Amino acid sequence: EIVLTQSPGTLSLSPGERATLSCRASQSVSSSYLAWYQQKPGQAPRLLIYGASSRATGIPDRFSGSGSGTDFTLTISRLEPEDFAVYYCQQYGSTPRTFGQGTKVEIK
Amino acid sequence: QVQLVQSGAEVKKPGASVKVSCKASGYTFTSHYMHWVRQAPGQGLEWMGIINPSGGSTSSAQKLQGRATMTRDTSTSTVYMELSSLRSEDTAVYYCARALSSAPFDYWGQGTLVTVSS
Repeated sequence: EIVLTQSPGTLSLSPGERATLSCRASQSVSSSYLAWYQQKPGQAPRLLIYGASSRATGIPDRFSGSGSGTDFTLTISRLEPEDFAVYYCQQYGSTPRTFGQGTKVEIK
Repeated sequence: QVQLVQSGAEVKKPGASVKVSCKASGYTFTSHYMHWVRQAPGQGLEWMGIINPSGGSTSSAQKLQGRATMTRDTSTSTVYMELSSLRSEDTAVYYCARALSSAPFDYWGQGTLVTVSS
């Protein structure tokens, strides 16, 4: 099973600032089958990034993903008020599918 | 438009079973796998298992120790997840989510809260 470790646990930032979230895998994620999801309270997760760096349909270009192998990053270039949420990484290249424990981006 | 509509909230006693449904619409039901993911209160996302609506084959997380059974009804485009021998730690919101093979989860159901309490 691939274990995903996200850091930091919480990121306190102001609107307009840049957010950098990390996801580290316990073993190489095949073919960069790494996704990022955003979840707001009371809502289902929403797909943001797949294939480590491809934005899902309708996702603003302030969201970007990078990385390969075992180290991946989600960057939000300038935080908008609606971006304050919890973010999860997920690998979907092997079974069981696994998620990181999440990073909460909160308003400073 | 793609929609996954889940059944309503449930309250169950320890040791009982619960069956959650997920009705798909807006796409060809058999073209995508369906996953089940749960989220305990204030916690992260936990993958539970997958079903292939085309042939009905399934795979589930070892942690569930065979307590989760996933089925589908192609006539109604609905998948089901039954969890048996419920414990308090099974209290969670349960989601269905669709995906192609080796693909991310692009659409999710709205979630079903299952509360296990005596």
